[in-house]
Amino acid sequence: NAGVTQTPKFQVLKTGQSMTLQCAQDMNHEYMSWYRQDPGMGLRLIHYSVGAGITDQGEVPNGYNVSRSTTEDFPLRLLSAAPSQTSVYFCASSYSRDRGLRGYEQYFGPGTRLTVT
Amino acid sequence: QQQVKQSPQSLIVQKGGISIINCAYENTAFDYFPWYQQFPGKGPALLIAIRPDVSEKKEGRFTISFNKSAKQFSLHIMDSQPGDSATYFCAARKTDSWGKLQFGAGTQVVVTP
Repeated sequence: NAGVTQTPKFQVLKTGQSMTLQCAQDMNHEYMSWYRQDPGMGLRLIHYSVGAGITDQGEVPNGYNVSRSTTEDFPLRLLSAAPSQTSVYFCASSYSRDRGLRGYEQYFGPGTRLTVT
Repeated sequence: QQQVKQSPQSLIVQKGGISIINCAYENTAFDYFPWYQQFPGKGPALLIAIRPDVSEKKEGRFTISFNKSAKQFSLHIMDSQPGDSATYFCAARKTDSWGKLQFGAGTQVVVTP
């Protein structure tokens, strides 16, 4: 199992450019989510999905779009990049049914470090 | 505004010592409290988790202490090792909000040889 994979690992964008961060998982997890990590802020939820065709907003959704056409993939789109979106982005996945305490475990990808100039 | 407050921001402990990280929350709808460990350049990974119906959970050298009345929980790392040097995040999840974790700001732990 590759687990959760993310591409690219690093990206530099100019203000106003758009791009898509890719995320894939091979664990047949129903739940997938995107977080951003900023110093002193922990991880903040951007968008999440409980299954193919179902997405919802998290804590900081502005400026980002998501879609979920398959169980495996959950891409994050930046519509018009801004310097405030400079961050490290993590994708995570988990089961969506109660499987005991560790069944809530979220598996994180290795992250994408994005810089917007 | 962070729903889970974590302290300290950083701590340095000698090998063999005890590392203690504290978290506090206000929302009584939280029903699941995990701790994640993150090494530089990697994604966070689940370390240990607890539900509010128990006051302590121990896995190896890692222990969560949970005080429901005070709405506080803490991570204790016993016999700290240089390999424990990482950033630790506490988190909390509301009942029926699957996977929507609220994270603390993180604590960078450095264990000196």
